Amino acid sequence: AAGVIQSPRHLIKEKRETATLKCYPIPRHDTVYWYQQGPGQDPQFLISFYEKMQSDKGSIPDRFSAQQFSDYHSELNMSSLELGDSALYFCASSPYYKYEQYFGPGTRLTVT
Amino acid sequence: AQTVTQSQPEMSVQEAETVTLSCTYDTSESDYYLFWYKQPPSRQMILVIRQEAYKQQNATENRFSVNFQKAAKSFSLKISDSQLGDAAMYFCAYYQGGSEKLVFGKGTKLTVNP
Repeated sequence: AAGVIQSPRHLIKEKRETATLKCYPIPRHDTVYWYQQGPGQDPQFLISFYEKMQSDKGSIPDRFSAQQFSDYHSELNMSSLELGDSALYFCASSPYYKYEQYFGPGTRLTVT
Repeated sequence: AQTVTQSQPEMSVQEAETVTLSCTYDTSESDYYLFWYKQPPSRQMILVIRQEAYKQQNATENRFSVNFQKAAKSFSLKISDSQLGDAAMYFCAYYQGGSEKLVFGKGTKLTVNP
């Protein structure tokens, strides 16, 4: 079965640089979620989109922005990167009528 | 705000035996969903089992089953016939309709001894 695709899988950036993470949901899933998992931490919700509209927002820094495109893929844009942004970033997807979220493999971001 | 508590940071079990991981949650809502996710060393988040709060019957998925006690706000995971591949971090998670986010507990690291 098709799964959530995230790219890149690994990303190394320097402080103050910009990063873009991409997420391709499971086919026919119209809702996308982004989570951040720091080392030794549980995943923390950042933001979600349904039908290209932001549907919920968590503790996402103002330096981060995200959007969902017409083909339902989503991008998380991160600017002015800080050392504390080093984490595993998950994208998850679900069909609107279901509550189960299926996670992608994650993008490991390292800020040096 | 809803909170999820996993009181066991680490657990261990012998291969082929049974282990139970605990989870409690705090909510004033009556309609919600609960999940257990498995995160092996690969860091992939894998959905193990789900429970709808309106269902009294406990969910079961092969060797995984839950004990859902709504009044006590308890949602434990039982793993039967433990296998080496079950070794992972297990996260309990809460979801409520109207809010898109999953709220996770801090996780329980399960070790399976051969």
